[in-house]
Amino acid sequence: SQQGEEDPQALSIQEGENATMNCSYKTSINNLQWYRQNSGRGLVHLILIRSNEREKHSGRLRVTLDTSKKSSSLLITASRAADTASYFCATGYGGTSYGKLTFGQGTILTVHP
Amino acid sequence: EAGVVQSPRYKIIEKKQPVAFWCNPISGHNTLYWYLQNLGQGPELLIRYENEEAVDDSQLPKDRFSAERLKGVDSTLKIQPAELGDSAVYLCASSRLENTEAFFGQGTRLTVV
Repeated sequence: SQQGEEDPQALSIQEGENATMNCSYKTSINNLQWYRQNSGRGLVHLILIRSNEREKHSGRLRVTLDTSKKSSSLLITASRAADTASYFCATGYGGTSYGKLTFGQGTILTVHP
Repeated sequence: EAGVVQSPRYKIIEKKQPVAFWCNPISGHNTLYWYLQNLGQGPELLIRYENEEAVDDSQLPKDRFSAERLKGVDSTLKIQPAELGDSAVYLCASSRLENTEAFFGQGTRLTVV
């Protein structure tokens, strides 16, 4: 079963524009992670935000987490053609399922040069 | 540091035949995951190990799938017998601790004919 649901399913933008992807989930989490997947490098971890954090930055990436709405967003600023990939959110559980990591269906991002 | 190593990268077998996938996680990583990924979908968790203990195998189809993690290091995932619907990419990942970033291998692409 997959908890996270990404929105939109696909996003097409021009190089230099910002890209925003959203993730919603259903149950309480310990953390939320974002991963990127392209054919060349497989699944790569981008950023982890814990349930007691609201915002996190890493280079051109900005992640927000709203636990009251059970949602997160990933913003990629000044996008590049190399950012073309599928992006997945993954929820890390606490409680009796501590350590379980469940992925959503992903957002396909295409950045046109 | 070496990443997660999976073998083989590709496997084509006839239905009803057995198949096995091998994973060598990053040294010192206690948590090991096996995921299944269908085309256009997010990874789906099959089984999670903490050291040598399978702590979450609720999604593993136990009638035909089995897994083991010897001495809390390498892991093997087996399917016997394989069915056409098992065609997918099988991903192994490891993390140093629970609820930390996961590192993925390149996956094994299984085709059952």
